[in-house]
Amino acid sequence: QQQVKQSPQSLIVQKGGIPIINCAYENTAFDYFPWYQQFPGKGPALLIAIRPDVSEKKEGRFTISFNKSAKQFSLHIMDSQPGDSATYFCAASMSGGSNYKLTFGKGTLLTVNP
Amino acid sequence: NAGVTQTPKFQVLKTGQSMTLQCAQDMNHNSMYWYRQDPGMGLRLIYYSASEGTTDKGEVPNGYNVSRLNKREFSLRLESAAPSQTSVYFCASKLGQYNSPLHFGNGTRLTVT
Repeated sequence: QQQVKQSPQSLIVQKGGIPIINCAYENTAFDYFPWYQQFPGKGPALLIAIRPDVSEKKEGRFTISFNKSAKQFSLHIMDSQPGDSATYFCAASMSGGSNYKLTFGKGTLLTVNP
Repeated sequence: NAGVTQTPKFQVLKTGQSMTLQCAQDMNHNSMYWYRQDPGMGLRLIYYSASEGTTDKGEVPNGYNVSRLNKREFSLRLESAAPSQTSVYFCASKLGQYNSPLHFGNGTRLTVT
């Protein structure tokens, strides 16, 4: 059972475009939603994260939008650059219960063309 | 500050051979994890260790064993490698809190022929 569904699987945009990656979750106990960025040959690294008590969080050109009622959250990259080309993973975890594990989406390969 | 160090970076095994993937972190993190990454499958948790002295199965534990040697080191062993275990393996660590970030190593690319 996949608890975090991520789309699209791949995405190509032109420099300056605004790619949007979407994730949906099933477990309402999730209360922490990070995004990880992975460059080729490297391990993923935390990019930005959000709690469900806010609807939006911005860090530089990266924004997470969160819709608690729809159980969906998305990553927007403003003014995208070729250096943003990477694989992006959404994830979810919960503060109660087994609070050590992240559940990851399957990833989105983003290509930003010059 | 090295962060999370994985060895080796690349490995080729024949079916039935065994090997141990090594992982060490120097951030004094409590929790450590082993993931595998396959095309179109994302990151799947194999085993994790919430704290020194404990280990638990993740999503895909079959065919693997782990050892939390001490607070710094967490190894992953394949006793009898199979082609289905061809993958990129990532070790990660974090503080114990649910919202602390995971720090990943740069992975071990394993091919089983």
